[in-house]
Amino acid sequence: EAQVTQNPRYLITVTGKKLTVTCSQNMNHEYMSWYRQDPGLGLRQIYYSMNVEVTDKGDVPEGYKVSRKEKRNFPLILESPSPNQTSLYFCASSLSPDLEAFFGQGTRLTVV
Amino acid sequence: AQSVTQLDSHVSVSEGTPVLLRCNYSSSYSPSLFWYVQHPNKGLQLLLKYTSAATLVKGINGFEAEFKKSETSFHLTKPSAHMSDAAEYFCVVRVYTGGFKTIFGAGTRLFVKA
Repeated sequence: EAQVTQNPRYLITVTGKKLTVTCSQNMNHEYMSWYRQDPGLGLRQIYYSMNVEVTDKGDVPEGYKVSRKEKRNFPLILESPSPNQTSLYFCASSLSPDLEAFFGQGTRLTVV
Repeated sequence: AQSVTQLDSHVSVSEGTPVLLRCNYSSSYSPSLFWYVQHPNKGLQLLLKYTSAATLVKGINGFEAEFKKSETSFHLTKPSAHMSDAAEYFCVVRVYTGGFKTIFGAGTRLFVKA
């Protein structure tokens, strides 16, 4: 089954404790993105990747890092999480940027 | 700069009546336009997309949208609402500005009354 898998689905952590949210797709897609969703703001793009070793900033990259060492994986790293990073995070992938994006089920992160 | 404005944060309709969700965009480049739906506690699902072919785009579940370049609009419509249409809808613009940026509208929550 074609899918985008994020882990974990739910995470509560403390300020400053490094964490990684994983994202994996099994569709051989080149384009992958991370978004955060906050009430009243829709989804905002954090980072995106056009292919392996090619990443670029979206609209809200501060406080986040990504890497793309393999085509299928695109982890989101929070080196020192803060409470304002409490949000619902989505990973997405598509064969190319002008085609349909497939979304993961989301990761609800709470930073206390 | 690129932006997306969904003109209504909430829309309420009765079952069986038409649905209109409004979206205006601003882009210096030729955009690709999408509508996505998000049901409660679920991920996002593509309803339809416009990528410079026909201006009237048909999607899943009876939804369609019309691209009007002169009005910079991409409104989503459905002739007859169903209870299962109750969800949040996002208008999305994707543009190439040296890299591909994706911009979401703030969302419109659709309520369907029996």
